[in-house]
Amino acid sequence: GAGVSQSPSNKVTEKGKDVELRCDPISGHTALYWYRQSLGQGLEFLIYFQGNSAPDKSGLPSDRFSAERTGGSVSTLTIQRTQQEDSAVYLCASSASGVVKAGELFFGEGSRLTVL
Amino acid sequence: AQSVTQPDIHITVSEGASLELRCNYSYGATPYLFWYVQSPGQGLQLLLKYFSGDTLVQGIKGFEAEFKRSQSSFNLRKPSVHWSDAAEYFCAVSSGTYKYIFGTGTRLKVLA
Repeated sequence: GAGVSQSPSNKVTEKGKDVELRCDPISGHTALYWYRQSLGQGLEFLIYFQGNSAPDKSGLPSDRFSAERTGGSVSTLTIQRTQQEDSAVYLCASSASGVVKAGELFFGEGSRLTVL
Repeated sequence: AQSVTQPDIHITVSEGASLELRCNYSYGATPYLFWYVQSPGQGLQLLLKYFSGDTLVQGIKGFEAEFKRSQSSFNLRKPSVHWSDAAEYFCAVSSGTYKYIFGTGTRLKVLA
């Protein structure tokens, strides 16, 4: 597609429910990132995928969070048993390369999650 | 460990006035530095980047930034702000691998 596409754009859920957030990166981009943007907290790194390599999951805040990337393209971030502190905007970004100097990050518009 | 500080949470300027947004970083070697802008309801867009060489870099939308190693700073400037510049601005640093560290952002308000 023309840009990074994320869905849903807004999600309101009840505490304890599971949610799935989807990211469709720019075609051909091998690197894919998930970030969490909370008020006043900046962008918090969650997970990084590069091609067929094992992902860097070091930023996932708890075992309730998981992500997968199928076929090297679309990625899904899953949050199980959501808590109110999970409320944030979840941003996806893709890049043509995992090497910073070789590729620019392109961001989606984000998925705003509200946990009641 | 790498870190980025944006000391100003909010800045308000009048349209046509000059702008400077501050960014300080902590990193042992020469970092890769970036400024991104996030307009309301939009994703982040790259304004400019510094990898090496000339310490004054030009970006899109009339923005520029200067890398000052002695001050560990990478401040963003624009000589004349337009109302459409109202947005949130993020400074970021990277060691050159795939990891980026973002600052907490500065929200810019432009008065007509």
